[in-house]
Amino acid sequence: QSALTQPASVSGSPGQSITISCTGTSSDVGTYNYVSWYQQHPGKAPKLMIYDVTNRPSGVSNRFSGSKSGNTASLTISGLQAEDEADYYCSSYTSSTTLVFGGGTSLTVL
Amino acid sequence: EVQVVESGGGLVQPGESLRLSCAASGFMFGDYWMSWVRQAPGKGLEWVAHINQDGSEKYYVDSVKGRFTISRDNAKKSLYLQMNSLRVEDTAVFYCARDGPGYCYRSRCFSGYYFDYWGQGALVTVSS
Repeated sequence: QSALTQPASVSGSPGQSITISCTGTSSDVGTYNYVSWYQQHPGKAPKLMIYDVTNRPSGVSNRFSGSKSGNTASLTISGLQAEDEADYYCSSYTSSTTLVFGGGTSLTVL
Repeated sequence: EVQVVESGGGLVQPGESLRLSCAASGFMFGDYWMSWVRQAPGKGLEWVAHINQDGSEKYYVDSVKGRFTISRDNAKKSLYLQMNSLRVEDTAVFYCARDGPGYCYRSRCFSGYYFDYWGQGALVTVSS
């Protein structure tokens, strides 16, 4: 049950696009389309941004999109805004019938 | 409005026990899988356990197997986490979360394997 691998930090300027990667294995991300993404502001509970690799919950901006290729899933945020500055976590179902998170990525809006 | 509210956190010594509770409202509690997710201070999220709609299926992360027990009372719309033999490394904010809906097959409904609603968390500190 090793954590999924995410970059520790990414940054971008307002209006730009950024992509956060989430690398797993054939036992999780590579086999199952149960990849989700969460946004967490300091001191707050996480918020669901993407589920089932590409689906956006109602109320989440269409600036957020998800994709997957092989063992790596990605979250793309377009038209970066100051309020997007937060920590982002990916999660996947695993063949061990458990769930696993990535280590988290800190997004800085310059 | 969907809400989940945790309670029961606190300071305990290594080896002691603690029970967390989560009160749900605003949705049909008995129709959903429910999870506990924790976050150690300054660290990332870690899924701890989840339980199916009637409590007959329970799954845990390896690090808590044999020490933690997840349970639920659908009549009280409540989720619980009994934590025994607590260790310093269990210190974390524990979040109660609703699993998103999955598919149903032959009267069995699976978790969607994502978390669509979260509580504000309960801090558990294990220290001597």
